[in-house]
Amino acid sequence: GQQLNQSPQSMFIQEGEDVSMNCTSSSIFNTWLWYKQDPGEGPVLLIALYKAGELTSNGRLTAQFGITRKDSFLNISASIPSDVGIYFCAGTQGFGNEKLTFGTGTRLTIIP
Amino acid sequence: ETGVTQSPTHLIKTRGQQVTLRCSSQSGHNTVSWYQQALGQGPQFIFQYYREEENGRGNFPPRFSGLQFPNYSSELNVNALELDDSALYLCASSLFGRGNGYGYTFGSGTRLTVV
Repeated sequence: GQQLNQSPQSMFIQEGEDVSMNCTSSSIFNTWLWYKQDPGEGPVLLIALYKAGELTSNGRLTAQFGITRKDSFLNISASIPSDVGIYFCAGTQGFGNEKLTFGTGTRLTIIP
Repeated sequence: ETGVTQSPTHLIKTRGQQVTLRCSSQSGHNTVSWYQQALGQGPQFIFQYYREEENGRGNFPPRFSGLQFPNYSSELNVNALELDDSALYLCASSLFGRGNGYGYTFGSGTRLTVV
């Protein structure tokens, strides 16, 4: 099945550093979402974006919905140990209860 | 308010066998979606159930089937298991009409290993 292209695949950073990851698609999406998944758990929603060009923040997290509707990025500022995990972007192409198409994931590791 | 619960948490089956996975939706939710997450990959949409009927299906063969019950809980059935079916199976519940992904709540998943 289709998966969105997410980069980088993995990141190794020190605590306090800022993080940036992005997600691209060959198809247009009308909603972009960013999830975090911890080991042994399901994905948890971090930020939802509904409008092209929209920039939304949730605490130290900021995400943007690309103007072309084919990309999105997520920034995390001043990383802390609990930021460790796998981050997934996801998109839906319609409105209402549409299926989520997920990215391939970015694994974030914080080096002590 | 209870979240999404899935059972069992882990399962080992032999190739060719059949398996049933269960999901209880979050209180107030009436729609259930199932996703397959292979190791190192993002989740892939299998299907969604609303009003006890399939309401959208991903690129999965007919041996993947489901049910939704009047209390909105759901089952995922997989027949003739193959080694590639080994994955984490995630259930997500939502309230129909308030989707766009924002209203989804995921369970912790069932880890299925086919040997």
